[in-house]
Amino acid sequence: DVKVTQSSRYLVKRTGEKVFLECVQDMDHENMFWYRQDPGLGLRLIYFSYDVKMKEKGDIPEGYSVSREKKERFSLILESASTNQTSMYLCASSLWTGGGGNQPQHFGDGTRLSIL
Amino acid sequence: GDSVTQMEGPVTLSEEACLTINCTYTATGYPSLFWYVQYPGEGLQLLLKATKADDKGSNKGFEATYRKETTSFHLEKGSVQVSDSAVYFCAAAGTASKLTFGTGTRLQVTL
Repeated sequence: DVKVTQSSRYLVKRTGEKVFLECVQDMDHENMFWYRQDPGLGLRLIYFSYDVKMKEKGDIPEGYSVSREKKERFSLILESASTNQTSMYLCASSLWTGGGGNQPQHFGDGTRLSIL
Repeated sequence: GDSVTQMEGPVTLSEEACLTINCTYTATGYPSLFWYVQYPGEGLQLLLKATKADDKGSNKGFEATYRKETTSFHLEKGSVQVSDSAVYFCAAAGTASKLTFGTGTRLQVTL
């Protein structure tokens, strides 16, 4: 089974801090994704990556950046945390199949981040 | 752009009742369609999928049929259990392996 591991289940940080959320997958997947989940809004894509050192903006990239130095690891960075970034953050990975969308995404358990 | 619309919850059912959660999509072409389930405190798990028109995905007693004519992928189960209580998300695959998700439907099953 695919395992996607997020480094923290719960995290509390202060406004203005630089925050790192880490995600590791063990199935050699090319694609990795970061979402945030908020009540009534479903999942919104922040950033995604097709390969090492590659990244693409999703629907809500403002205030975030990402890093993918190794294939198995995808980090989300909040450059200067703000209270409106309090949310559940979900990481996912999937297999690259030439651009088609047949492959499902596999999710981690999420990090519930609170910014005080 | 692509969009997925699913019925708002919460949906409250008694055990052994029939379940239908509606999902419709707007997309270019014929995307693969997915249902995910999220149990309390966990991430999303793939429940079932369909990759082309008239395909039926099924898993754990849940079913959904890809209806091209109505651009729909409704989730059904004939007899729900308390353990099915969760949030269900419909999703459509877009370009470049991205998924577009609906807002989720919370299901609560009572004894």
